[in-house]
Amino acid sequence: KAGVTQTPRYLIKTRGQQVTLSCSPISGHRSVSWYQQTPGQGLQFLFEYFSETQRNKGNFPGRFSGRQFSNSRSEMNVSTLELGDSALYLCASSTGTAETQYFGPGTRLLVL
Amino acid sequence: GESVGLHLPTLSVQEGDNSIINCAYSNSASDYFIWYKQESGKGPQFIIDIRSNMDKRQGQRVTVLLNKTVKHLSLQIAATQPGDSAVYFCAENINSGNTPLVFGKGTRLSVIA
Repeated sequence: KAGVTQTPRYLIKTRGQQVTLSCSPISGHRSVSWYQQTPGQGLQFLFEYFSETQRNKGNFPGRFSGRQFSNSRSEMNVSTLELGDSALYLCASSTGTAETQYFGPGTRLLVL
Repeated sequence: GESVGLHLPTLSVQEGDNSIINCAYSNSASDYFIWYKQESGKGPQFIIDIRSNMDKRQGQRVTVLLNKTVKHLSLQIAATQPGDSAVYFCAENINSGNTPLVFGKGTRLSVIA
């Protein structure tokens, strides 16, 4: 089976812009979770989608949003980018919320 | 705050020696634990998991030990190799619920050749 894929792998944006990141889960996986990883904060949970519904949400502002499509592919969007949004954004898929999550390679976002 | 933490942020080990990475968790209701390895520039990679009805589980060169009494989890890597150099994360979850995994801060393992 192909692993979790994320596009794009690298992205440079300026403050105030918005960005959309994409994640394709492992075939058959219906749960997709998103994380932000920074050196100072580690892995922080953003949200989880299961069967097109957001099932869990972390403590991030409303500028961070996501969605999931019927084929389980997911996108996350960050609006009005801030310098502090520079991070590695990781997507993970699993068969269910509490099951083993498999991560993609991440999208490295740099906000200038 | 996070319910999962790590005792040592960095660990240096001689090649060929065994490595032990520790993790403390605070939620006694957690019943599913996972160890991940993250190499530079890559996403975390699943290593091994264990459920609370077990206290030990072995994989290839890795062993996870779970001590529910003191809420402690450890990852043992036998005959550590340079390719084991990475950051290791533990994660916990309450399997009976729909809550997301909670990750620790991570421990960096450096293997000295």
